[in-house]
Amino acid sequence: GQSLEQPSEVTAVEGAIVQINCTYQTSGFYGLSWYQQHDGGAPTFLSYNGLDGLEETGRFSSFLSRSDSYGYLLLQELQMKDSASYFCAVRGYSTLTFGKGTMLLVSP
Amino acid sequence: DVKVTQSSRYLVKRTGEKVFLECVQDMDHENMFWYRQDPGLGLRLIYFSYDVKMKEKGDIPEGYSVSREKKERFSLILESASTNQTSMYLCASSPAGGLGYGYTFGSGTRLTVV
Repeated sequence: GQSLEQPSEVTAVEGAIVQINCTYQTSGFYGLSWYQQHDGGAPTFLSYNGLDGLEETGRFSSFLSRSDSYGYLLLQELQMKDSASYFCAVRGYSTLTFGKGTMLLVSP
Repeated sequence: DVKVTQSSRYLVKRTGEKVFLECVQDMDHENMFWYRQDPGLGLRLIYFSYDVKMKEKGDIPEGYSVSREKKERFSLILESASTNQTSMYLCASSPAGGLGYGYTFGSGTRLTVV
């Protein structure tokens, strides 16, 4: 089976940089995804790491270390609209298994 | 634009009722999924399908069944609704090779069983 650990809540101020960590234990691993969900909205895809290293998409970056079973999402130049829940998800053979989510609160 | 549509945003049903949640995607995706989302528990996979008439159990299939008669439509069925099935239900789809980065979610159906 799969299990993922990520912090339940993170707070930061506008303009800052925040890192959301994700550790996982899995019997089959093909990659790590990140999804964003605003309150009342649908989860939307942010980033995917199939290989070790850093992937950058605008203000967001995601990192994976397969040897450490660890990844993180890095959000730079935080904006109020980044307040949302962020989920890491392990890609297994057939499906994604999601973590419990990290609520990011951005304050002025 | 890619779209997954869930038929109801809010639904209230009585204990013991048979409940149908409908999901339609317009992207010609092979894979479709049903998750439920509960506070503090994240998204948990109920069932998924990788082809018409094919279905696979996820992590929490008990009390649920699914139907996929057409490629674009994936239905979740609560055979006899119970109060512990009160939850947000999310449908998603992905192309055959897009398991890591291709999930598109619907806006969800918030089901309350009374």
